[in-house]
Amino acid sequence: LAKTTQPISMDSYEGQEVNITCSHNNIATNDYITWYQQFPSQGPRFIIQGYKTKVTNEVASLFIPADRKSSTLSLPRVSLSDTAVYYCLVSSRSARQLTFGSGTQLTVLP
Amino acid sequence: KAGVTQTPRYLIKTRGQQVTLSCSPISGHRSVSWYQQTPGQGLQFLFEYFSETQRNKGNFPGRFSGRQFSNSRSEMNVSTLELGDSALYLCASSLGDVDRETQYFGPGTRLLVL
Repeated sequence: LAKTTQPISMDSYEGQEVNITCSHNNIATNDYITWYQQFPSQGPRFIIQGYKTKVTNEVASLFIPADRKSSTLSLPRVSLSDTAVYYCLVSSRSARQLTFGSGTQLTVLP
Repeated sequence: KAGVTQTPRYLIKTRGQQVTLSCSPISGHRSVSWYQQTPGQGLQFLFEYFSETQRNKGNFPGRFSGRQFSNSRSEMNVSTLELGDSALYLCASSLGDVDRETQYFGPGTRLLVL
């Protein structure tokens, strides 16, 4: 399974756009990238998933460059309720077990 | 659709006891995976069940076991509890037989071993 590296923590202010970058230098051809959000004492919540270029849904965008060695989760206009840990995962199509790293603790300040 | 549900939400046990946790997947999902989350080790994969069979297993001792029923509901059992088993136990469900599928997590069961 490809190892991921992401910042341990980030601070932002309400209303700002937040970009969290994840490095995955050893990503394989069959791997795809998934981001989860987790609040304290709750299960991780799926945010977005992508394979290449750009994916956008109602809560976030995921940017993946051509070499796929990194990806960036973009959260538009964050609010206090976006304070959480964000995990970047890389897994193959057939992988059944998810490997979570340490994640990024995002703190949104008023 | 209703999400993944887990019962109980909180549990207190003492060392040496055993515990059974339950997980009901999203309707139509046939795969259930279990994870343990602790402050020190983070989120770690325990095992995955699909069509009542264990399909994948993580690196946990045999005290951790599970099963899946014909309706895809799953239970996880931990025997001879140790203090280090105190954790948030999460289950996640997915369709189980398609590519690039997403796992959806339940709220977890917080287990405290005294």
